[in-house]
Amino acid sequence: NAGVTQTPKFQVLKTGQSMTLQCAQDMNHEYMSWYRQDPGMGLRLIHYSVGAGITDQGEVPNGYNVSRSTTEDFPLRLLSAAPSQTSVYFCASSYSGGRNEKLFFGSGTQLSVL
Amino acid sequence: GQQLNQSPQSMFIQEGEDVSMNCTSSSIFNTWLWYKQEPGEGPVLLIALYKAGELTSNGRLTAQFGITRKDSFLNISASIPSDVGIYFCAGPELQGAQKLVFGQGTRLTINP
Repeated sequence: NAGVTQTPKFQVLKTGQSMTLQCAQDMNHEYMSWYRQDPGMGLRLIHYSVGAGITDQGEVPNGYNVSRSTTEDFPLRLLSAAPSQTSVYFCASSYSGGRNEKLFFGSGTQLSVL
Repeated sequence: GQQLNQSPQSMFIQEGEDVSMNCTSSSIFNTWLWYKQEPGEGPVLLIALYKAGELTSNGRLTAQFGITRKDSFLNISASIPSDVGIYFCAGPELQGAQKLVFGQGTRLTINP
């Protein structure tokens, strides 16, 4: 009963390095999203996807890329990491993203950019 | 975009006390959601509210959808140690149901 799985759990990067945060769900959810959590700011939406091949920007998309080639996976790419991207990242999914639906969250990736 | 403001930002209480927290917005929300985040984990949905004035309970938790549709309240009765965590209010943006807006959270600490 995996739900939403995020890897890695922790990551340290140097400024300018690139990396991909992985997110996979086994609930056949069409909707997937990425949030970042910073102290005192709650969770802010980075990118989301309503189905394979469809992605859109959230509140804070700059510096991040996403793609959705399969229903199960929704990776988040940092092309050139910056200290401002130090944060905890959460992936979440739901059946279709409707306002009445429950979002299921992964356990997060803690990223530090030095 | 729409913003949600939670208060208080943190609470330090004794075990057994009741807890009240609220969430306000300058714009109308059609759905109010309350999530709880425990240390090292992602948020988990506690209660969902869909109608103005609605009052919904989940065990010792009770949440209300404000009449003005610009606020919501969460109460926890007889707190226990496992209530520790960060409580977030959230709601879907009017222009896009897929975009969920979160408040900044209320951190609850309980002294046994």
